[in-house]
Amino acid sequence: DAGVIQSPRHEVTEMGQEVTLRCKPISGHNSLFWYRQTMMRGLELLIYFNNNVPIDDSGMPEDRFSAKMPNASFSTLKIQPSEPRDSAVYFCASSLNSGATYNEQFFGPGTRLTVL
Amino acid sequence: SQQGEEDPQALSIQEGENATMNCSYKTSINNLQWYRQNSGRGLVHLILIRSNEREKHSGRLRVTLDTSKKSSSLLITASRAADTASYFCATDSWGKLQFGAGTQVVVTP
Repeated sequence: DAGVIQSPRHEVTEMGQEVTLRCKPISGHNSLFWYRQTMMRGLELLIYFNNNVPIDDSGMPEDRFSAKMPNASFSTLKIQPSEPRDSAVYFCASSLNSGATYNEQFFGPGTRLTVL
Repeated sequence: SQQGEEDPQALSIQEGENATMNCSYKTSINNLQWYRQNSGRGLVHLILIRSNEREKHSGRLRVTLDTSKKSSSLLITASRAADTASYFCATDSWGKLQFGAGTQVVVTP
């Protein structure tokens, strides 16, 4: 298996522009997670999906952030409009969970976002 | 907000020595996981210990969990230069992972 795939790996954009990050989870996994990592705040869970349905988006910073999962093999995280404080590494992760049994998460390589 | 807190924040050891890091957390959990992150890379899952388990081994890794004290420890035995990385504990509550700030481990040859 190719693992979790994220694109782009690096993104540099100007303040006010729309940014779309993409993720392909591991085939067969039913849970997908978006995280953000910064030096100041560490790793933060932004949102997670179970069977393509958003379960908890309490970590999404504000309305400028939105995430979708149209099918089991694709998810996007969009920031519109972007701001310099959004600069971070964004990770996507997936796992296979069953009922009340939660398992390890597999992380993608991350997208390093720089907003100028 | 971070649920887990690792201790120490940084650890420097020589090859062959053991490295021990601790994690404390605040709320009830389904499981606790340890991850490694090399500089500039993604996170790699190391080991998962469920709330009804007390100890788990995987190769040179040994993890303990004390739910009464809300704490866990990760021991890396016979460390190698390749073990140089940041190590994070993450508590899992109903599928949501909350990460600590991490322990930065440097293993010198």
